[in-house]
Amino acid sequence: GAVVSQHPSWVICKSGTSVKIECRSLDFQATTMFWYRQFPKQSLMLMATSNEGSKATYEQGVEKDKFLINHASLTLSTLTVTSAHPEDSSFYICSARLDRAYNEQFFGPGTRLTVL
Amino acid sequence: GQNIDQPTEMTATEGAIVQINCTYQTSGFNGLFWYQQHAGEAPTFLSYNVLDGLEEKGRFSSFLSRSKGYSYLLLKELQMKDSASYLCAVTDSNYQLIWGAGTKLIIKP
Repeated sequence: GAVVSQHPSWVICKSGTSVKIECRSLDFQATTMFWYRQFPKQSLMLMATSNEGSKATYEQGVEKDKFLINHASLTLSTLTVTSAHPEDSSFYICSARLDRAYNEQFFGPGTRLTVL
Repeated sequence: GQNIDQPTEMTATEGAIVQINCTYQTSGFNGLFWYQQHAGEAPTFLSYNVLDGLEEKGRFSSFLSRSKGYSYLLLKELQMKDSASYLCAVTDSNYQLIWGAGTKLIIKP
């Protein structure tokens, strides 16, 4: 159980375009999902915490107008990278939390974004 | 501030034992996780400790001392496939997960 899917697994786009990444909890309801970014050979960096039905909480330094997060249902959160630029190229990973007290996060397989 | 320290990189030999340490200073403590992450992949859960002591799961064991703010992950009978990064993460008093930078483990034949 506790499977999280992410789509697409990789995407290549031109500079200036927008890219949407979907994160779904397949067999459980997740009131909270998390979006991470990871550059090569670096650690996970939390971008934002997404709560179903409310606005996402962004980490310091993450532009909320550039990285739009929508958590419209208990099983789906989306991250839209608007007007992507080459420096946005990274590995984007989502995770979902089943239980706040236990706090284990179940990760999606990640999305490799390359902006040309 | 909140901080989690773990070595950047470790090297070990196939078949041997390796211990990866993690020390933390966080605002409160509600559990500690170890995750494994292979290059280009998402992290996968290894272990969870919330009480002091050793949790054993096959070749992997994790230890916690809350009074010392210290944990270690012990990997026995190392296999080449264990080459990965190992991430230590602590849940603080606000149930935020604080991540360490990860330890890259290199296994040599």
